[in-house]
Amino acid sequence: EAQVTQNPRYLITVTGKKLTVTCSQNMNHEYMSWYRQDPGLGLRQIYYSMNVEVTDKGDVPEGYKVSRKEKRNFPLILESPSPNQTSLYFCASRPGQGAYGYTFGSGTRLTVV
Amino acid sequence: DAKTTQPPSMDCAEGRAANLPCNHSTISGNEYVYWYRQIHSQGPQYIIHGLKNNETNEMASLIITEDRKSSTLILPHATLRDTAVYYCIPYKWGGSEKLVFGKGTKLTVNP
Repeated sequence: EAQVTQNPRYLITVTGKKLTVTCSQNMNHEYMSWYRQDPGLGLRQIYYSMNVEVTDKGDVPEGYKVSRKEKRNFPLILESPSPNQTSLYFCASRPGQGAYGYTFGSGTRLTVV
Repeated sequence: DAKTTQPPSMDCAEGRAANLPCNHSTISGNEYVYWYRQIHSQGPQYIIHGLKNNETNEMASLIITEDRKSSTLILPHATLRDTAVYYCIPYKWGGSEKLVFGKGTKLTVNP
């Protein structure tokens, strides 16, 4: 089944403890993005990637890192999580050519205490 | 980025057509209109997109006005599972690859 897989689905962690949220897609898509969703603020883009080793900042990149070493994987790294990064996170991907829509993962609900 | 205006909420009876409007009067000539929906806190789901012509797929139909300043998403036979927040998003691929999600329309399908 064509899909975007995020792990973990739920995570509770403590302030300052480095964590990685993984994202993997099996559709050979070039473009991948990370979004966070917060009540009243909607979905906002954190980072995106247009291909392997090509990444760029979205609207809210502070406190996050990403890497794109392989086409299928686009992990989101929080080096020193803080409570204001408590949020619902979504990874998405789409083909690089053509006006296709994005396929989103099921989400990762992160709580930083 | 083009601004969009959608009604905050709509209701529809199960089995009837749901017509969701979107105003995007500042859309540029090379921006498509994309529609996504989000069921509760699941990941957004792509529905349909169009540039100038009306479009139809297995999920919905998209009607775009001739001046491209507004569009309507039509779910021909709404079911309870179509209850969701629907987002209309102007998008130009080849740019920043950013989807700007507004507040959308909360569609409630009633039995």
